Amino acid sequence: DQQVKQNSPSLSVQEGRISILNCDYTNSMFDYFLWYKKYPAEGPTFLISISSIKDKNEDGRFTVFLNKSAKHLSLHIVPSQPGDSAVYFCAALTQGGSEKLVFGKGTKLTVNP
Amino acid sequence: NAGVMQNPRHLVRRRGQEARLRCSPMKGHSHVYWYRQLPEEGLKFMVYLQKENIIDESGMPKERFSAEFPKEGPSILRIQQVVRGDSAAYFCASSPSQGNQPQHFGDGTRLSIL
Repeated sequence: DQQVKQNSPSLSVQEGRISILNCDYTNSMFDYFLWYKKYPAEGPTFLISISSIKDKNEDGRFTVFLNKSAKHLSLHIVPSQPGDSAVYFCAALTQGGSEKLVFGKGTKLTVNP
Repeated sequence: NAGVMQNPRHLVRRRGQEARLRCSPMKGHSHVYWYRQLPEEGLKFMVYLQKENIIDESGMPKERFSAEFPKEGPSILRIQQVVRGDSAAYFCASSPSQGNQPQHFGDGTRLSIL
């Protein structure tokens, strides 16, 4: 049973445009959400996070939106750059419990020059 | 390099041998997590440790797998009598404490079983 779902295995956008990566979750106990970026043969790199008490968090070109009623979050990257090309993982956890992250399967983003 | 350090980066073992994967957390981090990634999959939680304590091992197979985080030295993930299905990338992460603290990952150990 996959509790965190990233339904788009891949996404291709033009440089300078907006990239929108989506993530859905089923466990209503999740209250902290994170996005990681991963290049081949490297570990995931933390990008941005959001607590369930917020609906938006912004850091430079990256913004994460959380819709708790829909159990949906999205990562917006604007403007997209070729160096953003990587696999993006959505992850979630329940604070106060075990700190284990539950990951989606990832979305491979390609930003074309 | 103040990041999470994992070694070796690549490990090849024959079926039935033992594999030992090491992880040194970031400086100041006392929480260590191990995850496994199979091809085309996301990372799956295995075990969460603090110094000398296993906090949550719910993701770790009951047999052949063990983990430790001693008072001194790195965290070790040990796989005994490896089988082909153990071939995967194993990632270690660390964080300074619980709560709103993102986990920071090492570059992983790629385990291949011949």
